[in-house]
Amino acid sequence: QAGLTQPPSVSKALRQTATLTCTGNNNNVGNQGAAWLQQHQGHPPKLLSYRNNDRPSGISERFSASRSGDTASLTITGLQPEDEADYYCSSWDNSFGGWVFGGGTKLTVL
Amino acid sequence: QAQLVQSGGGVVQPGRSLRLSCAASGFTFSSYVMQWVRQAPGKGLEWVAGLWYDGTNENYADSVKGRFTISRDNSQNTLYLQMNSLRAEDTAVYYCAREGLAVGTGGLDYWGQGNLVTVSS
Repeated sequence: QAGLTQPPSVSKALRQTATLTCTGNNNNVGNQGAAWLQQHQGHPPKLLSYRNNDRPSGISERFSASRSGDTASLTITGLQPEDEADYYCSSWDNSFGGWVFGGGTKLTVL
Repeated sequence: QAQLVQSGGGVVQPGRSLRLSCAASGFTFSSYVMQWVRQAPGKGLEWVAGLWYDGTNENYADSVKGRFTISRDNSQNTLYLQMNSLRAEDTAVYYCAREGLAVGTGGLDYWGQGNLVTVSS
């Protein structure tokens, strides 16, 4: 039940664009796509996107996701101070019938 | 508005048991697959267990298989996690989460507030 691979940290300036990546394999991201979660310190995760680029109601259009093969990406445009958080990718894994998560990327907005 | 309210958790000695509950409201509980996810202090998210709508299909992470049991009572709109033979490495915040209607691709769209479970002598 190996996890997905995410860079530990990304830093970008205010109002710039950040792109976070997530790499899996053809049992998870490559087959089922990815969902992205945002987590602020001390709070539960919040779903930002699913099925590669669908957004739940209320999620800003500044968050957009995509997938190419076994790698998924989350792009955040016009970075705001409140975007500073941990971001996790997730995917259903067919090999064991459960969810697999990335290790998380800590986004710092400078 | 969907809501998941958790109860249970606390400090428990190694080898002992604990049960977590997750009360659902604001949606038709019996129509959704439910999951438990945990997060060790300062660490990332780890999937623990999942349960089908009617309780007929359950799956577990290797790390908890044989020790934890997920169950649900659709008449009470409640999800449970029975944790036996607890170990220090089970120390984490435990979240219940609802899986979106597109099972496998819909993401985990609602989360409980989390319960800290500390396994320590």
